[in-house]
Amino acid sequence: GDSVTQMEGPVTLSEEAFLTINCTYTATGYPSLFWYVQYPGEGLQLLLKATKADDKGSNKGFEATYRKETTSFHLEKGSVQVSDSAVYFCAAASDSNYQLIWGAGTKLIIKP
Amino acid sequence: ETGVTQSPTHLIKTRGQQVTLRCSSQSGHNTVSWYQQALGQGPQFIFQYYREEENGRGNFPPRFSGLQFPNYSSELNVNALELDDSALYLCASSLAFGRGPTETQYFGPGTRLLVL
Repeated sequence: GDSVTQMEGPVTLSEEAFLTINCTYTATGYPSLFWYVQYPGEGLQLLLKATKADDKGSNKGFEATYRKETTSFHLEKGSVQVSDSAVYFCAAASDSNYQLIWGAGTKLIIKP
Repeated sequence: ETGVTQSPTHLIKTRGQQVTLRCSSQSGHNTVSWYQQALGQGPQFIFQYYREEENGRGNFPPRFSGLQFPNYSSELNVNALELDDSALYLCASSLAFGRGPTETQYFGPGTRLLVL
């Protein structure tokens, strides 16, 4: 079945460090890919998405590129801030399915 | 434009009881999905409703049931509560057409259910 695998956390970085959170997927067809973020005490918010191969989603300094050849959608940010501390979820939605398949989440901790 | 809202925010029940959780979709959205998120895990799909009919279901038993109303608000009902039902229940609304590609889903803040 379809699945999403993302790197385990927590990931702890210093402010202004470079961030990469890995995400790979297994799905039939060409799924749409998403990164959602969950700040402490809040609901899930869409961070960015990409709907076809080679698309790059970007928002708030975060980027992720849909790599069909490696079935990956890694999240990157050039310079993280303390306010980026949250749990990040990678998710996939197949065009033959009606549900989002989620990774387990990666907790990101940014220290001043 | 209002976002997705859920009620109540927190709930405590005892094993064997029944619970109803409520969700109001974002304005203009005709599809609602419900997810269960256990502590420290990603959400698990429960089911989706489109135009008042169930449009797909995840691996959850029949004691999890739902409704969608003409104004596209929704309820999640859980009967015969078990300890393992303790989780954050998330509602998400989207604009989707039948069983076509899933549009971006917008989430409510969730209802945290504790079963004792």
